[in-house]
Amino acid sequence: AQSVTQPDIHITVSEGASLELRCNYSYGATPYLFWYVQSPGQGLQLLLKYFSGDTLVQGIKGFEAEFKRSQSSFNLRKPSVHWSDAAEYFCAVAPRGVTGGGNKLTFGTGTQLKVEL
Amino acid sequence: DAGVTQSPTHLIKTRGQQVTLRCSPKSGHDTVSWYQQALGQGPQFIFQYYEEEERQRGNFPDRFSGHQFPNYSSELNVNALLLGDSALYLCASGLQGAYEQYFGPGTRLTVT
Repeated sequence: AQSVTQPDIHITVSEGASLELRCNYSYGATPYLFWYVQSPGQGLQLLLKYFSGDTLVQGIKGFEAEFKRSQSSFNLRKPSVHWSDAAEYFCAVAPRGVTGGGNKLTFGTGTQLKVEL
Repeated sequence: DAGVTQSPTHLIKTRGQQVTLRCSPKSGHDTVSWYQQALGQGPQFIFQYYEEEERQRGNFPDRFSGHQFPNYSSELNVNALLLGDSALYLCASGLQGAYEQYFGPGTRLTVT
């Protein structure tokens, strides 16, 4: 069965420092890949997605992610973190080739990011 | 352009009761999916509706049912509530054939 692993439950970084959040997936074939952010009491906002092509994808709010097929990973990065980035981050996958609007997303358990001023 | 909206924001129910949650998709979207997010967990897929039919379903019991209306809005119904049903229920909308989903703010359900 497909699964998504986010090994870091909590991460604390200083404002201005770089950030990398890890995501590994287990799937029969390369799925579509997503990163979402959730602020307290809020729904999920899509940061970026990977469907095909360039393995380094740019998203909103200065985030980027790199797809590495050999490692089944899709890590999220940001060069310089701002205090407003404090939130919970979820990696998610969806199967390719299955019709349906948006399709079924499988999420990791999330990484809670704390930013120290 | 309104995004995905959900109502109510919060809800408190007693074990054994029934609850109905509502979702209006983003303008132009025609599919609606529902997710359950327990505290400290990632969202879990419940089911997806398109053309007023359930198209996909996750590992949830039949106590969870839904409906999609001709205007694409949707309801999630949960019968015989259990304490374990306490969670944030998220609605997401998208377009048939596309893979991006847009989430609403969720409904926080507490079962006592």
